[in-house]
Amino acid sequence: SQQGEEDPQALSIQEGENATMNCSYKTSINNLQWYRQNSGRGLVHLILIRSNEREKHSGRLRVTLDTSKKSSSLLITASRAADTASYFCATDKYSGAGSYQLTFGKGTKLSVIP
Amino acid sequence: ETGVTQTPRHLVMGMTNKKSLKCEQHLGHNAMYWYKQSAKKPLELMFVYSLEERVENNSVPSRFSPECPNSSHLFLHLHTLQPEDSALYLCASSQDLGGGRNEQFFGPGTRLTVL
Repeated sequence: SQQGEEDPQALSIQEGENATMNCSYKTSINNLQWYRQNSGRGLVHLILIRSNEREKHSGRLRVTLDTSKKSSSLLITASRAADTASYFCATDKYSGAGSYQLTFGKGTKLSVIP
Repeated sequence: ETGVTQTPRHLVMGMTNKKSLKCEQHLGHNAMYWYKQSAKKPLELMFVYSLEERVENNSVPSRFSPECPNSSHLFLHLHTLQPEDSALYLCASSQDLGGGRNEQFFGPGTRLTVL
């Protein structure tokens, strides 16, 4: 399975601290994406990193990708209570005829305590 | 607001009912998806449509029947569901199915409860 596996399953931090979530996968990827989901809502795309990239930034988010270890990390700096959500990594899988499908992990539930 | 809307937001139905979930995207995308999200399980891909053609059916029971009349609308018709089908059903769209163009935009979901 190419499914991404997030680690830890749950993370609780104080506001202002940094939060790091990890994702491991099993087979080669074209790109890896991170999504965020507030409780009971749809997922929101955060960032996409391609297999030939090692690091990418977007605001307070920093994503790294290590294809040799088949792992990625999402760092949220200076966390806020509003960052409380579940975070998912998604890896793409070539499904034929030029098509790629995303496979999501189970997610990391982040709680930021004010 | 992601540009993908879903109705209804909540649905309670009996096992003998027939109902439909609706999804609409205003992004000009060519691919649309149905996902099922149950507690403590990974997001499960159910169906994929590209340019109104179904390209993926992940062994979904026939009591779920998708319909894509055009590239902006996607339906999920439900009949004779089971209590274990209770879940959050998410619709998503992407530019197309190509690598690097499959960033997905999700709707808010329909919370389905089957009694």
